[in-house]
Amino acid sequence: DAMVIQNPRYQVTQFGKPVTLSCSQTLNHNVMYWYQQKSSQAPKLLFHYYDKDFNNEADTPDNFQSRRPNTSFCFLDIRSPGLGDAAMYLCATSRKGRGGTEAFFGQGTRLTVV
Amino acid sequence: ILNVEQSPQSLHVQEGDSTNFTCSFPSSNFYALHWYRWETAKSPEALFVMTLNGDEKKKGRISATLNTKEGYSYLYIKGSQPEDSATYLCAPRSNDYKLSFGAGTTVTVRA
Repeated sequence: DAMVIQNPRYQVTQFGKPVTLSCSQTLNHNVMYWYQQKSSQAPKLLFHYYDKDFNNEADTPDNFQSRRPNTSFCFLDIRSPGLGDAAMYLCATSRKGRGGTEAFFGQGTRLTVV
Repeated sequence: ILNVEQSPQSLHVQEGDSTNFTCSFPSSNFYALHWYRWETAKSPEALFVMTLNGDEKKKGRISATLNTKEGYSYLYIKGSQPEDSATYLCAPRSNDYKLSFGAGTTVTVRA
C-alpha cells in the first residue's frame, strides 16, 4: 500500500496560472519535504516541515509556497508557473527522533507548463 | 546549507567487479547521513541511514562507511551486477531535519 501519495501524477498548467500539488501520508511522520527534480539532476530541496515549523530554502523562489494543514497533508502552491518550473515534484516524509530515519518518497507529480 | 559533493559523477563497471565512490559533506551541524538508490523515472529508495562516526552498514552486496569527523562516506558495491546500475545519492541530514541531496554518482554495470 502506498504510504506517501502524491496527486495528481501528471499536471499540465498554463503559463502564469496558479497550480497546487498535493501530498498525503499514512505514516504519521512529523517531517515532510518538497523537492524539485529536473531532467536527470538530483532532487533539489525546496522546503521542509518539522511538525508545523516551516523551513524555506534560501534559493527557493517566492513563486513557490507551501501549506501543511495537518500531519497527513502537505501542499505545494506555485503562484505563477513559468516554463522553467516544469519538473518532477517529489514529496517525502520521515519520522522525527533521536536515531536517523530514512525518508519515504511519493511517486512524484510531473508538472508541464504550456 | 549542507554542501554535499559526490565523486565521481559517473562510473562504468564490468559485471563482477567491485567499485566504490565517495560522498563528502561539512562535518558541522551533522546529524545523519543517508544513502539512496535512484533509478530514472522512479523515486529514490533508501539504502542506509548512518549516524555515528565509524558506522558501517551492509545490505546484500552494498555497504557503506561513515567518517563524521572528516566529513565523508564511502559506498561500496561488491561483485557488481547489471541490476546495480542506478544513480546513488547521498544526503546529509542536519539536526533541524534538513535533507539535501548531492548530485549523485551514476553507476553503469556492463555485462
